[in-house]
Amino acid sequence: ETGVTQTPRHLVMGMTNKKSLKCEQHLGHNAMYWYKQSAKKPLELMFVYSLEERVENNSVPSRFSPECPNSSHLFLHLHTLQPEDSALYLCASSQERQLVTQYFGPGTRLTVL
Amino acid sequence: RKEVEQDPGPFNVPEGATVAFNCTYSNSASQSFFWYRQDCRKEPKLLMSVYSSGNEDGRFTAQLNRASQYISLLIRDSKLSDSATYLCVVTFPEGGYNKLIFGAGTRLAVHP
Repeated sequence: ETGVTQTPRHLVMGMTNKKSLKCEQHLGHNAMYWYKQSAKKPLELMFVYSLEERVENNSVPSRFSPECPNSSHLFLHLHTLQPEDSALYLCASSQERQLVTQYFGPGTRLTVL
Repeated sequence: RKEVEQDPGPFNVPEGATVAFNCTYSNSASQSFFWYRQDCRKEPKLLMSVYSSGNEDGRFTAQLNRASQYISLLIRDSKLSDSATYLCVVTFPEGGYNKLIFGAGTRLAVHP
């Protein structure tokens, strides 16, 4: 299944590094999402983009910076992260922000040392 | 209080067993309800929507009780391949769009 792809699948970084996560959807959707999934905790919505405009920012620390250059691509830029930021970062897309069926990518498993 | 609460499990059941998962939600304005399935180290995938009238998809039956703010999922004749974490999801309108709120999931392990 290649509807929503994410790269890299695994990432290990130090607290002073800068890295970016990439998401691409091939479903023709116009809304994209970043979620964080920590061990034994619910998925937490981080950012929502609809028609390339950010419509939700759930008080996410500024060390996470999203970018949506077009409706098919979504990035999450990371800098000066903390060990507690280690988690699975999932990208999702949907046809419109009103439509609740979201399709998830395989995720990037991030470890911050 | 958590917005969506689920028993974390794990539920360990033999093949062929019937197993039921429950979920409660706190926001009475919630509009839509779903069960997602997440396999180990994989992404969540939509299993089924949940309607007030109840709905069935093969061996899976979902029920919604709006008055009690309670959702259930029943799996009959469990298969080894049903082993996964089942996520209860509710939505409510916020900021002009429908926000998805996920439960932490209930883990199911089906053994031979």
